[in-house]
Amino acid sequence: DGGITQSPKYLFRKEGQNVTLSCEQNLNHDAMYWYRQDPGQGLRLIYYSQIVNDFQKGDIAEGYSVSREKKESFPLTVTSAQKNPTAFYLCASSIESEAFFGQGTRLTVV
Amino acid sequence: DQQVKQNSPSLSVQEGRISILNCDYTNSMFDYFLWYKKYPAEGPTFLISISSIKDKNEDGRFTVFLNKSAKHLSLHIVPSQPGDSAVYFCAASRAGSARQLTFGSGTQLTVLP
Repeated sequence: DGGITQSPKYLFRKEGQNVTLSCEQNLNHDAMYWYRQDPGQGLRLIYYSQIVNDFQKGDIAEGYSVSREKKESFPLTVTSAQKNPTAFYLCASSIESEAFFGQGTRLTVV
Repeated sequence: DQQVKQNSPSLSVQEGRISILNCDYTNSMFDYFLWYKKYPAEGPTFLISISSIKDKNEDGRFTVFLNKSAKHLSLHIVPSQPGDSAVYFCAASRAGSARQLTFGSGTQLTVLP
């Protein structure tokens, strides 16, 4: 059963703490992405990776970090430097021009 | 600078009628356009796409029209069904290395029974 799995679905974090969001895919896609969704806004690109051990900043990378040690995995760390981390985070992978999304992680800073 | 714009945040349509969702873009380098549908607390799912070499693509009840000169595309849903109620995102990409998608802000479609 191929797809993209994000975990956890809901995550609570205390202010000042780093937190890592998991994204795993078994679609054998080279490219993976992290987006953030805020109310009234589109999906904004945080980071993307075209290949293992390589990743690039998107439009809103400040306060985030990623790694791509394996083709299947693209974890996103929300650091304490991110000023407004409460949001819905979406991971995607793509082949050619079509992206496939995970179910998302709702991060709430308390 | 929003390169992909969906100027209508919401749209209500009666069941059985046509839903028309609009999207404008500013970057003439975009050559591939997609529509995604999203339910609350779920990831977007791909709906339909169109390449810039075409002006229309149809898939069942869904048709996407592209007007390159106006940098405008639209999604038509006929007939609209209550299950179509969701947020619809327009997205665009351009040829190049990452092929990352640039999304619009979304339109909440509500189909009334």
